[in-house]
Amino acid sequence: DGGITQSPKYLFRKEGQNVTLSCEQNLNHDAMYWYRQDPGQGLRLIYYSQIVNDFQKGDIAEGYSVSREKKESFPLTVTSAQKNPTAFYLCASSITSDPGETQYFGPGTRLLVL
Amino acid sequence: AQTVTQSQPEMSVQEAETVTLSCTYDTSENNYYLFWYKQPPSRQMILVIRQEAYKQQNATENRFSVNFQKAAKSFSLKISDSQLGDTAMYFCAFKGGYQKVTFGIGTKLQVIP
Repeated sequence: DGGITQSPKYLFRKEGQNVTLSCEQNLNHDAMYWYRQDPGQGLRLIYYSQIVNDFQKGDIAEGYSVSREKKESFPLTVTSAQKNPTAFYLCASSITSDPGETQYFGPGTRLLVL
Repeated sequence: AQTVTQSQPEMSVQEAETVTLSCTYDTSENNYYLFWYKQPPSRQMILVIRQEAYKQQNATENRFSVNFQKAAKSFSLKISDSQLGDTAMYFCAFKGGYQKVTFGIGTKLQVIP
């Protein structure tokens, strides 16, 4: 079955540590996205990529970094510069030819700070 | 900038009854897309329904339908014959122009047996 996988399901970060969240899709979608979800704030866009080897900052990119070396993969690194990383992180993809950019989501990763 | 407002933080409905979730948006775009997404307790976000602004007809997906009022910039979701599996957070979302998708803060729906 086609879909998006995210790993791990839960991730714990120590102070000053960088951690990487994995996102893989086999939908053959060109565009991929990372969102952060906090209670009462909906989903906020961190980074997005519309093509391999290219990505753009979203609304809350500070303290995060991404790479897009393969079409299928869009990992997100939460750096030590992100002072409040505890949140639920959602990866999504969309078809570039879809002007509405309907989002297809992965199951999410819950990041907690120790 | 485009904004999406969901003014009902929480709602409840009796099983088999009908419930309507509200969403309003603000945009200067003439052509755009509106969505309702569902996030059940498992937290897997799934698309419920999509509406293109240029279409007059309201979108329908089985028990889910929308009331799209373009002039009023309103996009409500009606769930008929509510089922226990409809218990979830519901997010309204908007996509217009070159902006990326914008999400509302969500409405938590509880279906009561």
